[in-house]
Amino acid sequence: EAGVAQSPRYKIIEKRQSVAFWCNPISGHATLYWYQQILGQGPKLLIQFQNNGVVDDSQLPKDRFSAERLKGVDSTLKIQPAKLEDSAVYLCASSPVVLHEQFFGPGTRLTVL
Amino acid sequence: GEDVEQSLFLSVREGDSSVINCTYTDSSSTYLYWYKQEPGAGLQLLTYIFSNMDMKQDQRLTVLLNKKDKHLSLRIADTQTGDSAIYFCAEKGNYGQNFVFGPGTRLSVLP
Repeated sequence: EAGVAQSPRYKIIEKRQSVAFWCNPISGHATLYWYQQILGQGPKLLIQFQNNGVVDDSQLPKDRFSAERLKGVDSTLKIQPAKLEDSAVYLCASSPVVLHEQFFGPGTRLTVL
Repeated sequence: GEDVEQSLFLSVREGDSSVINCTYTDSSSTYLYWYKQEPGAGLQLLTYIFSNMDMKQDQRLTVLLNKKDKHLSLRIADTQTGDSAIYFCAEKGNYGQNFVFGPGTRLSVLP
């Protein structure tokens, strides 16, 4: 079974630029999560999708972050414009149902200069 | 809000047992998890325990839950160098709450 795929693996941008991350969850997984993991901290949930609907985006900084999950499969997370404090690893995870085990992708490491 | 705390570092000798501790604040937590993160990789679920259990054993891993004190521990028997990683404790409530992760404990296994 293929795991959760994410791209790119690394991205370096300057502040005020835009960036987008892509996630392809495990086939058939209805729930998809985006997490932000700042160095030395645990992952913090940004947004949760159930199929193509948003379940929880209470911790998503909506003035600069946006996410979508077209057709309930792939998802993209965008930051526009980026700030220095957005430097982190962005993790995507998926699970077959909401309360079930989450399977994580390798993450995208973002550095904002 | 929910909060999960862990000590940040632990060093053990190869072959010894490791005990990683975690405390949480949300008394409605239904599921408690241990995840492992190796360098450059995502998180991998090691084990989980339902809140009505006191203990769960899975090969070299033993999870102990003290619900009264809101304390969770992970014991790794016969720790190997391949166990060196960051270990995250996480909780999830039953009423639509999402996962809350601790800051992670970096386990170093010395030869």
